[in-house]
Amino acid sequence: ETGVTQSPTHLIKTRGQQVTLRCSSQSGHNTVSWYQQALGQGPQFIFQYYREEENGRGNFPPRFSGLQFPNYSSELNVNALELDDSALYLCASSLASRGPGNEQFFGPGTRLTVL
Amino acid sequence: DAKTTQPNSMESNEEEPVHLPCNHSTISGTDYIHWYRQLPSQGPEYVIHGLTSNVNNRMASLAIAEDRKSSTLILHRATLRDAAVYYCILAGGTSYGKLTFGQGTILTVHP
Repeated sequence: ETGVTQSPTHLIKTRGQQVTLRCSSQSGHNTVSWYQQALGQGPQFIFQYYREEENGRGNFPPRFSGLQFPNYSSELNVNALELDDSALYLCASSLASRGPGNEQFFGPGTRLTVL
Repeated sequence: DAKTTQPNSMESNEEEPVHLPCNHSTISGTDYIHWYRQLPSQGPEYVIHGLTSNVNNRMASLAIAEDRKSSTLILHRATLRDAAVYYCILAGGTSYGKLTFGQGTILTVHP
C-alpha cells in the first residue's frame, strides 16, 4: 500500500509569483484535503476535493485554488504569493464513504518559503 | 466548529503510561472525537477516534466520558518515539472530513 506523497519537498518563491504543489493520495482513497501549517501553529484547513469537485473550503482567499484528477491525485495552486504564505502545506487523503468518522492520512508536506 | 481544550504541554518518563486530556463541552451528538499526533518535521499521523464508546487500537486507547464532554488519550507505555504534538479534534456530520486543529499538547518523554 503506497502512502501519501507530496512534491516538491521544499520550494522558494518570491512575492507575487505563482506556485503549484502536488499530492498523490493513498491507494484507493477518493478524497484529498489540503492544509496550511504556519510555524508553531496547528494545520489550517484550506479545502477538500472529492471526485474532482471542491467539497468544502476553509477561510482562504480565491487565489488558493486546487484540482483533483481522475486518479485522485491533486494540485494546490497559489497565485500572487504573499510573505504570509510561507508555511508547510500538507495534503491528506481519505475515503469519503466513511464520513466524519474516517481517518485521514497525511503526506510529509511541502515547505514553501516566500521571499 | 466545536472547540477542544488541551493542556499546552505534558511530560512523561519512558515506559510509563501517559494520559492526555481533552475537554469538548460543546460537542454535538454527531461529532466524532479524533486524535492525531505530529512528530517533528512530519505530517500529522492518525492515532485513534471514537464516537461514544471507549476504543482501543495498537497505538493507544481512547476513554470517552459518559456525557462526552471530555476524553482522554492513553498511551500505555510511552517511548521516546511518542514525543510529539497531540491534537484532539471534533469532526461532525457536516464537516465532510474537515479537521479543525487547535494548538495541541506538546508531549515530552524523558528517558
